[in-house]
Amino acid sequence: QVQLKESGPGLVQPSQTLSLTCTVSGLSLTSNSVSWIRQPPGKGLEWMGVIWSNGGTDYNSAIKSRLSISRDTSKSQVFLKMNSLQTEDTAMYFCARTDTGIPLFDYWGQGVMVTVSS
Amino acid sequence: AIVLNQSPSSIVASQGEKVTITCRASSSISSNYLHWYQQKPGAFPKLVIYSTSYRASGIPSRFSGSGSGTSYSFTISRVEAEDVATYYCQQGSSNPLTFGSGTKLEIK
Repeated sequence: QVQLKESGPGLVQPSQTLSLTCTVSGLSLTSNSVSWIRQPPGKGLEWMGVIWSNGGTDYNSAIKSRLSISRDTSKSQVFLKMNSLQTEDTAMYFCARTDTGIPLFDYWGQGVMVTVSS
Repeated sequence: AIVLNQSPSSIVASQGEKVTITCRASSSISSNYLHWYQQKPGAFPKLVIYSTSYRASGIPSRFSGSGSGTSYSFTISRVEAEDVATYYCQQGSSNPLTFGSGTKLEIK
């Protein structure tokens, strides 16, 4: 069955770079797209960006200058890198399979909590 | 960016009651691109309704959706205790993909 699992550091210092990995199973990244979505504690959902099945990317313009999404199809992994972290970047970070035709999120990882603090 | 205004922000309902959540978009959206999610406390969001009115796999028939253009709604015909969650609408029409602010459903 389809599974996604996020991994990465739980604590990042302000101004540093966040690196997260989403490892997928049960699907191929060459025919499936994956988004990163985050949720600050007690708040709503924010779509960050997507890597499409063809390898192209789209980013939320609000954070585009700080964000990079890439992948290693041979390892079934999708990567998120975001620089210049601030306390407001403290959130649960999810990866989710993204339907290409009618962009929606039908399979989600459990999420990884990232706290930005010195 | 398309802003999704979701209301109400919270609902307190009795078991068996009908509840409706509204999602209004700042620009017209094709009904194919409006979706609804359920997020239970401590869990990831779960797709409930896609393309306005289609139930995702395994979703009970008490959940339904309707709408067009800029106005969409999500209904639980008879609320059950297990439906306690926050519900979000989401548009896939244009970048950035956006979510409504959420509606928290509690049971009396």
